[in-house]
Amino acid sequence: QAVVTQEPSLTVSPGGTVTLTCASSTGAVTSGHYPYWFQQKPGQAPRTLIYDTANRHSWTPARFSGSLLGGRAALTLSGAQPEDEADYYCLLSYDGSRWVFGGGTKVTVL
Amino acid sequence: QVQLVQSGSELSKPGASVKISCRASGYTFTKYSIHWVRQAPGTGLEWMGWINTKTGSPTSALGFTGRFVFSLDTSVSTTYLEITNLKADDTAVYFCSRPGSGFWGQGTLVAVSS
Repeated sequence: QAVVTQEPSLTVSPGGTVTLTCASSTGAVTSGHYPYWFQQKPGQAPRTLIYDTANRHSWTPARFSGSLLGGRAALTLSGAQPEDEADYYCLLSYDGSRWVFGGGTKVTVL
Repeated sequence: QVQLVQSGSELSKPGASVKISCRASGYTFTKYSIHWVRQAPGTGLEWMGWINTKTGSPTSALGFTGRFVFSLDTSVSTTYLEITNLKADDTAVYFCSRPGSGFWGQGTLVAVSS
């Protein structure tokens, strides 16, 4: 089974920009992995922010954007707000039938 | 509106079985697959598998075969996760989801203790 790797933790200043990445042990992440990004706050269910690499849901603030960067999926937060402090997870599809989560990135806004 | 509503918390003993439900509403049930995700205390999300709600065909991640069974009842728009021969490290919150569409159940805590 593939292993998906994320930065364990990142810190961003209020109003600043931070990029989270998501790497696959099988090689470069492509649009064929249909990368998803989720935000989870303590005691809550995850919330889907980005699907299919770069698509936002109606509830996803515009300051979140998804992309492919250097063979990885990336989630960029531009203009961080205190309420963005949370855990973030990526999810990649393998062969369209099995999916693997990354280990998650704890983002601190400080 | 679309909702996924899960059954309540379960406290069980090792060796027992539990069956968690996830009832869908607000959309045509058989149009979208349902995924299951596990989160053990203080850890990250684990993708367990999914069930095709049109055919009933399940797909499981490695590590979630055998004791973990996905099923459904289309007549009540409900999918189920049954865990047999429970072990202490099955203690976790289990979520059902349509991850691409952005819909998640509220989670069901399964606690396994003697």
